[in-house]
Amino acid sequence: SQQGEEDPQALSIQEGENATMNCSYKTSINNLQWYRQNSGRGLVHLILIRSNEREKHSGRLRVTLDTSKKSSSLLITASRAADTASYFCATAGHAGGTSYGKLTFGQGTILTVHP
Amino acid sequence: SQTIHQWPATLVQPVGSPLSLECTVEGTSNPNLYWYRQAAGRGLQLLFYSVGIGQISSEVPQNLSASRPQDRQFILSSKKLLLSDSGFYLCAWADSPAMKKLFFGSGTQLSVL
Repeated sequence: SQQGEEDPQALSIQEGENATMNCSYKTSINNLQWYRQNSGRGLVHLILIRSNEREKHSGRLRVTLDTSKKSSSLLITASRAADTASYFCATAGHAGGTSYGKLTFGQGTILTVHP
Repeated sequence: SQTIHQWPATLVQPVGSPLSLECTVEGTSNPNLYWYRQAAGRGLQLLFYSVGIGQISSEVPQNLSASRPQDRQFILSSKKLLLSDSGFYLCAWADSPAMKKLFFGSGTQLSVL
């Protein structure tokens, strides 16, 4: 079953604007990760946030995690046309749990950045 | 550096035909290996994962099987393909079950006609 659910399903913005994508999950996690997928290609890891972290930055990416609400957000600042892709959140379970050793992906957000 | 190879990139097969997709990893040893399927460019569904040679865990009942004959080789198979097997298949590896990061292959687009 899909643990993470992203919203919106699709997002269309202009270059230079910020893009925010949200992810909700259902069970306790060890960490949450965000991946990017260009059309017809494999996924590429963007950033990981541990369950004891609340915010993390990497370049133009900012990820937040609220474990009490079981939700995360990915913010891409000053977007570029090259950021056009699908973005997925994925959750990793704790050692000893049924989800350990596996990543469970959400349905993804399709981001289109217009030049 | 580590690399992952997955082939073929595209495949068109008739219903009832067999399937064999291969994935190999270089530059690492004893990786955790995964097969995911993606329908219509959306969410990924975990099909199989393996923590070692000959060790396969199946996540969903289906028409497919997986094997790991060598440490860095993961094969997805079917004896008789169904229309519903169409999709984008992705192989991935991780260096530990702690799941700090997955590295994906470039994927195989399978069309069953």
